Amino acid sequence: KNEVEQSPQNLTAQEGEFITINCSYSVGISALHWLQQHPGGGIVSLFMLSSGKKKHGRLIATINIQEKHSSLHITASHPRDSAVYICAVPPSGGGADGLTFGKGTHLIIQP
Amino acid sequence: DSGVTQTPKHLITATGQRVTLRCSPRSGDLSVYWYQQSLDQGLQFLIHYYNGEERAKGNILERFSAQQFPDLHSELNLSSLELGDSALYFCASSHKKTSDRPTGELFFGEGSRLTVL
Repeated sequence: KNEVEQSPQNLTAQEGEFITINCSYSVGISALHWLQQHPGGGIVSLFMLSSGKKKHGRLIATINIQEKHSSLHITASHPRDSAVYICAVPPSGGGADGLTFGKGTHLIIQP
Repeated sequence: DSGVTQTPKHLITATGQRVTLRCSPRSGDLSVYWYQQSLDQGLQFLIHYYNGEERAKGNILERFSAQQFPDLHSELNLSSLELGDSALYFCASSHKKTSDRPTGELFFGEGSRLTVL
């Protein structure tokens, strides 16, 4: 089973700050997911990436397959970015079924 | 709007009862995944169906079962409910076949919040 560690667990920042959330995993994978869970509970898939970097608006995700590490960055953070951010990886061996989820990073952006 | 519909949104029931949660995947998506999110365990994968066939099982209890119908909607049946089954149950859909290739992008429903009293 792939072990997933996220840091920090909780993060409070001021509006406009640059945010970084980290995710490390134990077994080599082919792709990693970043998810956003809103306070109401709904989950949105932000990125699925297997190498390098992806950008969507103010969100940037990077992954280093060799180091088994991924980061999610938020530029010019805004209170509406307040949510739980979760990384998820497939099980060991590269199988695609059965994602293992990190415990999430609770992000609060204060105005 | 992800295009994935889950019903009911909220459900309150008693221990020992049985409930059925329903998921309609995004149009064209053949894969349906079920996940459970509880306060102590976080998000956990339960089961995956692809085009009507079970593909993979995760931490799904024997009291739980699922199926995917010819119209591709899926149902998760939870029986002999216990207090610890109280959780958010999500389904997600994806169009890619999952075997030894990466999971396709996932589209999540809003979840069904189950409370067992």
